[in-house]
Amino acid sequence: AQTVTQSQPEMSVQEAETVTLSCTYDTSENNYYLFWYKQPPSRQMILVIRQEAYKQQNATENRFSVNFQKAAKSFSLKISDSQLGDTAMYFCAFMKITQGGSEKLVFGKGTKLTVNP
Amino acid sequence: DTGVSQNPRHKITKRGQNVTFRCDPISEHNRLYWYRQTLGQGPEFLTYFQNEAQLEKSRLLSDRFSAERPKGSFSTLEIQRTEQGDSAMYLCASSPRTDNTEAFFGQGTRLTVV
Repeated sequence: AQTVTQSQPEMSVQEAETVTLSCTYDTSENNYYLFWYKQPPSRQMILVIRQEAYKQQNATENRFSVNFQKAAKSFSLKISDSQLGDTAMYFCAFMKITQGGSEKLVFGKGTKLTVNP
Repeated sequence: DTGVSQNPRHKITKRGQNVTFRCDPISEHNRLYWYRQTLGQGPEFLTYFQNEAQLEKSRLLSDRFSAERPKGSFSTLEIQRTEQGDSAMYLCASSPRTDNTEAFFGQGTRLTVV
């Protein structure tokens, strides 16, 4: 079974600064995806960024980038130029890929990020 | 396309009652997932469908829980004889045939069992 661990229950950052959220995972699978999802207060979860395990290049999406260390099973999220709208719960998630296609998401417990003005 | 829709948004029920939630996925998304999220935790997988076929059920899904997707479009999740431990946010997500790795979530149904 796969597990995802987020060791930072809460973090805060000043507006315009950079923050890094940590995530580690455990799996024996070779073919998988990793994700960061954002869940703002009382709103639905949205995908922030994803990484295919077989790609060595770290994924980037505008102000969001990841540091994917496959051997260490580490997948951290860096948010640059933090904005007030980045305040949310952030969940790291794992998805196994099989011949039948993708499977379920396995989530960590989340990190509550607060961006202060 | 208005995204994944879940109804009701909130449900308060007495212990022992049955409840049913509905999820309308994004049009033509072939996969539909149900997750449960309790306070301070990440979502936990319950079950998922590919079209009308239920492909996997979690061990978390006791016999009191049943899910259907009869025509491969909307889905229902029923909880029979609710217990206080069933209080949680129930999330639905769907993903398209063209990219099953991208899940789109609804806003969830918050269930409170009193």
